Amino acid sequence: SQTIHQWPATLVQPVGSPLSLECTVEGTSNPNLYWYRQAAGRGLQLLFYSVGIGQISSEVPQNLSASRPQDRQFILSSKKLLLSDSGFYLCAWSVLGPRNTEAFFGQGTRLTVV
Amino acid sequence: GQQLNQSPQSMFIQEGEDVSMNCTSSSIFNTWLWYKQDPGEGPVLLIALYKAGELTSNGRLTAQFGITRKDSFLNISASIPSDVGIYFCAGQLNFNKFYFGSGTKLNVKP
Repeated sequence: SQTIHQWPATLVQPVGSPLSLECTVEGTSNPNLYWYRQAAGRGLQLLFYSVGIGQISSEVPQNLSASRPQDRQFILSSKKLLLSDSGFYLCAWSVLGPRNTEAFFGQGTRLTVV
Repeated sequence: GQQLNQSPQSMFIQEGEDVSMNCTSSSIFNTWLWYKQDPGEGPVLLIALYKAGELTSNGRLTAQFGITRKDSFLNISASIPSDVGIYFCAGQLNFNKFYFGSGTKLNVKP
């Protein structure tokens, strides 16, 4: 069965520091991968999605970047964090199935920039 | 990104009552999905809808894909305390992207 791992679960970082969040998927090949951000009490905003190694699409201009160095690994990064980068970051995957696609989420990373 | 309008924003109901929430969009989606999120965790998929007009049930949950492909609703019958959480609708576009509503926060009083 497929599983998705996301770490760390929580992170407190000072303004101006770098960021690296990692997500890996097991049990599937060539998944579509996604990074979402959820502000407190709000919905999920799509930040990046990837359909293959090295292929990254950005949905919104921002202080963050994403990379996909391996088929089942997706990394969210920043060179210098801003206060506004605080939030709950969720990684998700999907594959094209017999009845179209469905997205499955990791447990999330709570980032607090101080 | 795409805009999904989800309502209501929050609900306070008594245990045993039925619940209804819906999502509308100006865009046509290929798939409508409904998720539930518990505090501090990732959303969990409840129901997926693939065809316009499709009505699908999962236990006490029932969801429908609107005929116009621009809306969907979720009903929960005979609510129980563990139904508490935030429910999100999501629309899938072009096989790659999923866009989410702002969520409906459900509170159930025992």
